[in-house]
Amino acid sequence: SQQGEEDPQALSIQEGENATMNCSYKTSINNLQWYRQNSGRGLVHLILIRSNEREKHSGRLRVTLDTSKKSSSLLITASRAADTASYFCATDGSAYKLSFGAGTTVTVRA
Amino acid sequence: ETGVTQSPTHLIKTRGQQVTLRCSSQSGHNTVSWYQQALGQGPQFIFQYYREEENGRGNFPPRFSGLQFPNYSSELNVNALELDDSALYLCASSAGLDRTDTQYFGPGTRLTVL
Repeated sequence: SQQGEEDPQALSIQEGENATMNCSYKTSINNLQWYRQNSGRGLVHLILIRSNEREKHSGRLRVTLDTSKKSSSLLITASRAADTASYFCATDGSAYKLSFGAGTTVTVRA
Repeated sequence: ETGVTQSPTHLIKTRGQQVTLRCSSQSGHNTVSWYQQALGQGPQFIFQYYREEENGRGNFPPRFSGLQFPNYSSELNVNALELDDSALYLCASSAGLDRTDTQYFGPGTRLTVL
């Protein structure tokens, strides 16, 4: 079973708009990470947020973490066509493995 | 510095056959993890190797086995292939076992079992 669940499953936005996706998880974590995957290829690491952090920024990405609600959100600002991809959250409940959700598929329309 | 590479890119096998997938870790990385990603799903952890020893295993049967070599490259072997083994197989390398060590993923091997 998957530890994380992303919401929504799919998102379609216009270029220049912001995209927000959410992740909920079930067990305690030390870190939560977000990855991007283009067209069923390898995953690219985007950002890691520690359990004692509430918000983190990286370029056009903003991640929040609410450990009391066991949830995280990823915001992509000023989206571009190149942001079209699937986005996954991953938690590290176990020391040696990442547990991924089913992902949010984002389509950015020109 | 080279990234994570995997071979082959695509593979077609029939039920009951055996398959070996290969992964070359990023330079300087001693930890490799393997994941299975079914269509439309997120990656599922298979197992992890650290300095040639298995360091953890997910909920996969024993017919999924692995190796890590002294140069930290790795193999995933699957015996007695089943139709449900059709998936994208991803390996990821990291610099160590620290929870904050980023896992760098290869492009994957797409396995189709007929």
